[in-house]
Amino acid sequence: KNQVEQSPQSLIILEGKNCTLQCNYTVSPFSNLRWYKQDTGRGPVSLTIMTFSENTKSNGRYTATLDADTKQSSLHITASQLSDSASYICVVSGELEAAGNKLTFGGGTRVLVKP
Amino acid sequence: DTEVTQTPKHLVMGMTNKKSLKCEQHMGHRAMYWYKQKAKKPPELMFVYSYEKLSINESVPSRFSPECPNSSLLNLHLHALQPEDSALYLCASSPQGLAGVDTQYFGPGTRLTVL
Repeated sequence: KNQVEQSPQSLIILEGKNCTLQCNYTVSPFSNLRWYKQDTGRGPVSLTIMTFSENTKSNGRYTATLDADTKQSSLHITASQLSDSASYICVVSGELEAAGNKLTFGGGTRVLVKP
Repeated sequence: DTEVTQTPKHLVMGMTNKKSLKCEQHMGHRAMYWYKQKAKKPPELMFVYSYEKLSINESVPSRFSPECPNSSLLNLHLHALQPEDSALYLCASSPQGLAGVDTQYFGPGTRLTVL
């Protein structure tokens, strides 16, 4: 069964600091990995999407990395802002599921940025 | 127009009521999705429409009935729901239909409460 595990479950950081979120997956064969940001009670917003051949992708202050050999990804947030407070969800699609654009969601990391 | 819209934002209904959730996108996307999300859990896929045809039904109970009247509109008809169906219902769309690596764009969701 495809699985996506994220750590930590929750994180508190001070405004202006950096943080890194982790994602491990067992989806195989792998197709692509996405990071989404979800504010409470709102729909997820796509931050990055990476395929097998990509090992880093940035979107403003968000940088995602992918190691397809170890099946690990990280999301680094630089110079955090109060608006970064949200859940960050790692989402993986395997080749079999990709045909249906079906996604396996991680449990998310809840980030709280404090002033 | 670069967003997915959902109405209503909030809905409270009794177990004997019939109601509908509505989702619209005017980005020309060819696939549309319904997800159910319980609090602090990742979204769970319910239905996928590709080119206005139902492509995926994740064994959803018949009290949920999807409808895709045209390429821009997706409805979810609700009848005889149970209190455990209370959740955030998310709609998403993706540009290429079910064609592999394709970002899903989520709407803000409808918060449903079943009394």
